[in-house]
Amino acid sequence: GAGVSQSPSNKVTEKGKDVELRCDPISGHTALYWYRQSLGQGLEFLIYFQGNSAPDKSGLPSDRFSAERTGGSVSTLTIQRTQQEDSAVYLCASSLDRASSYEQYFGPGTRLTVT
Amino acid sequence: DQQVKQNSPSLSVQEGRISILNCDYTNSMFDYFLWYKKYPAEGPTFLISISSIKDKNEDGRFTVFLNKSAKHLSLHIVPSQPGDSAVYFCAATGGGTGRRALTFGSGTRLQVQP
Repeated sequence: GAGVSQSPSNKVTEKGKDVELRCDPISGHTALYWYRQSLGQGLEFLIYFQGNSAPDKSGLPSDRFSAERTGGSVSTLTIQRTQQEDSAVYLCASSLDRASSYEQYFGPGTRLTVT
Repeated sequence: DQQVKQNSPSLSVQEGRISILNCDYTNSMFDYFLWYKKYPAEGPTFLISISSIKDKNEDGRFTVFLNKSAKHLSLHIVPSQPGDSAVYFCAATGGGTGRRALTFGSGTRLQVQP
């Protein structure tokens, strides 16, 4: 089982609390993406990591959101002072991102519910 | 504004018949297109992709067609099977080097009737 894994699978938190979501990408994939899918919406890009380059944070909805990727592998998405509108499924994907091979492979997601 | 559009929220077909799912895009910088299948409570699963230098790509029962002049692509599933019932997302990426984040359509729910 060498797919993308995410933890936890479900997270319920109170408004105002901080949460951390974890992603383990496929071994050897240099690119890692975070997306989220809110209820009734499509998938929305959040942040992108590629190798040792600075991450592309252009999709983050506010400065309460941050992410890091340690050692070019595991990534953690942190949401500070959670709000009810942060409730969504957070999906991580990894990719080889080589020319003509841009398929991204997704994890099962973390369903975040902010009460 | 939606750069990738799937105008049919749902589609129902009989087992053994062809399923055709459609997708339109507006961004001419897109140069790579993908289809994903998603079951409830699971992440999207990659199905098939096509580069903008091609107009057709086939993989078993799945074929993707790309019409660049119309900015339209379609996924054909032949023959359709009940296990194909899922939500199908069209996605696109492009813009040269750098970030290859996917822009997704809103999805089409396919129901294959036995």
